[in-house]
Amino acid sequence: AQRVTQPEKLLSVFKGAPVELKCNYSYSGSPELFWYVQYSRQRLQLLLRHISRESIKGFTADLNKGETSFHLKKPFAQEEDSAMYYCALTGTASKLTFGTGTRLQVTL
Amino acid sequence: NAGVTQTPKFQVLKTGQSMTLQCAQDMNHEYMSWYRQDPGMGLRLIHYSVGAGITDQGEVPNGYNVSRSTTEDFPLRLLSAAPSQTSVYFCASSPLVGAFTEAFFGQGTRLTVV
Repeated sequence: AQRVTQPEKLLSVFKGAPVELKCNYSYSGSPELFWYVQYSRQRLQLLLRHISRESIKGFTADLNKGETSFHLKKPFAQEEDSAMYYCALTGTASKLTFGTGTRLQVTL
Repeated sequence: NAGVTQTPKFQVLKTGQSMTLQCAQDMNHEYMSWYRQDPGMGLRLIHYSVGAGITDQGEVPNGYNVSRSTTEDFPLRLLSAAPSQTSVYFCASSPLVGAFTEAFFGQGTRLTVV
């Protein structure tokens, strides 16, 4: 079975502060990990994927197989980062499984 | 540039009524899926399809049926609506499932069962 855990429902940070959204996964094989974001009144959209090792909007995420984690990080939070963030996993069963999501709230 | 289109956007049903949520994509994607989004529970997979004529259950399939007669369409049927099915429903599609796959989502259908 594949499972994604996001322990925080809400993360509130000040503008300019570092951000870390936690994601842990459970999967027996080699998973593919993603972060999706849902801004207010917008569709859910892909933010980044681990295989690309890219930085999108200042966000990065590193896959740590030893700790089975894929935490999302940004050094300096911006107001426009306020959104709902979902960690997701794809395994061999052709299913995309999401975590419960973390709402990031960036305040002045 | 339609992408994934869901209809209706809002719906109110009475307990016991049936209805179909429509989902269509114009990107020729093989993979389509339905999720429900509930507060504190994230997105939970209801049903998914890897191609026309092929469907499979997700983690919360009870009370829902799907079919995939064409590549473009993947309707979700509620057989006998219950208040527990009050939720926001999202349809998604992708060319395949894997490392380089991006899932494209519809704008959602907000369903209330009274």
